[in-house]
Amino acid sequence: DIQMTQSPSSLSASVGDRVTITCRASQSVSNYLNWYQQKPGYAPKLLIYATTGLLRGVPSRFSGSGSGTDFTLTITSLQPEDFATYYCQQSFRDLTFGGGTKVEIK
Amino acid sequence: QITLKESGPTLVKPTQTLTLTCTFSGFSLTTSGVGVGWIRQPPGKALEWLALIYGNDDKSYSPSLKSRLIITKDTSKNQVVLTMTNMDPVDTATYYCAHKYGSGSYIGMDVWGQGTTVTVSS
Repeated sequence: DIQMTQSPSSLSASVGDRVTITCRASQSVSNYLNWYQQKPGYAPKLLIYATTGLLRGVPSRFSGSGSGTDFTLTITSLQPEDFATYYCQQSFRDLTFGGGTKVEIK
Repeated sequence: QITLKESGPTLVKPTQTLTLTCTFSGFSLTTSGVGVGWIRQPPGKALEWLALIYGNDDKSYSPSLKSRLIITKDTSKNQVVLTMTNMDPVDTATYYCAHKYGSGSYIGMDVWGQGTTVTVSS
């Protein structure tokens, strides 16, 4: 099985901050890496597909990068609606989600 | 517009079999690139992928749960059914079904149901 490890597990940030979340795979997943946002009581929302592809309607302050085993999700200027938990997910072999990163208000 | 909705029991006893139904609209699950998956989330914990079925009836399962899962589809009813045997309290979770984004080999889930909460308790 491919394991996905996210760091940090939680972070505190202020509106306007630049936030970076990392995701590491236990083996190469090429660019088969997606990012989701989940707010309490709601289903996850797919933000970024195939490492860098922003889904329609997702603000451009979200971006993804990486390849192989190391990936990042960056939010360039954190907005109030961005406080949520973020998950990475690989689909190189089966599907595996990371443990999540909770972005909280400082 | 694509929509999905999960249905099934809210409470099951240990050792029982869970059957969940995902009823969808806005797409047809009859071509190879189209897929529907099941994902669960225990309270306060991370997401866990369970199974995926494609329009050509190809299926894939979580390796750790494969022996307990069966996923099927009924295209005439626009439904996908997940069966999980030998339920245990650790299987208590919100169960989601979701639509596979795009038709290629990359697998991301772009539209999700609201989720259904299943509690396993005697």
